[in-house]
Amino acid sequence: DVKVTQSSRYLVKRTGEKVFLECVQDMDHENMFWYRQDPGLGLRLIYFSYDVKMKEKGDIPEGYSVSREKKERFSLILESASTNQTSMYLCASKGPTGSSSGANVLTFGAGSRLTVL
Amino acid sequence: AQSVTQPDIHITVSEGASLELRCNYSYGATPYLFWYVQSPGQGLQLLLKYFSGDTLVQGIKGFEAEFKRSQSSFNLRKPSVHWSDAAEYFCAERYFGNEKLTFGTGTRLTIIP
Repeated sequence: DVKVTQSSRYLVKRTGEKVFLECVQDMDHENMFWYRQDPGLGLRLIYFSYDVKMKEKGDIPEGYSVSREKKERFSLILESASTNQTSMYLCASKGPTGSSSGANVLTFGAGSRLTVL
Repeated sequence: AQSVTQPDIHITVSEGASLELRCNYSYGATPYLFWYVQSPGQGLQLLLKYFSGDTLVQGIKGFEAEFKRSQSSFNLRKPSVHWSDAAEYFCAERYFGNEKLTFGTGTRLTIIP
């Protein structure tokens, strides 16, 4: 089974701090995603990456950036954390469409709950 | 634009009763449709998916869903719920050639004895 690991389950940061959320997958998947989950809003896509050093904005990219230097690792960066970025952050990965491994299906990590004070 | 509607924010069901969670998608073309479940403090787990073919799909944990193009719906059903089914359920869609998965806002399921 595909495993997606998010390094931090709980983080508490102060306003203005730079925050890194790390995600690693072990199935050589091309596609990786960062979602934000808030009550009543469901999951909203922040950024995704379809290859190393490639990225595309999702629905709510403002205030975030990402880094994909290696295929297995996709980092979400909050350059200057704000209280409205307090949320649950979910990473996911997926193989290429039509592949036999994880075809068309996102596999999620356990999530990182960030609190910004 | 893609959008997914889950009209029920919260549903309460007695243990052993049947369950139906509603989901409507908005895009015109044939979508890929998914149901995920999230237990408290956990990530999302795939229950089932629909890509094409038989419109009634079976998933894990005794769940099934039916794709109805005429109603733009993909409702999730279970004939008899168990206390362990208490969780939040998300419907999602994507389309061929588009890697983006769009989620509904979720339905929280409470099970009472």
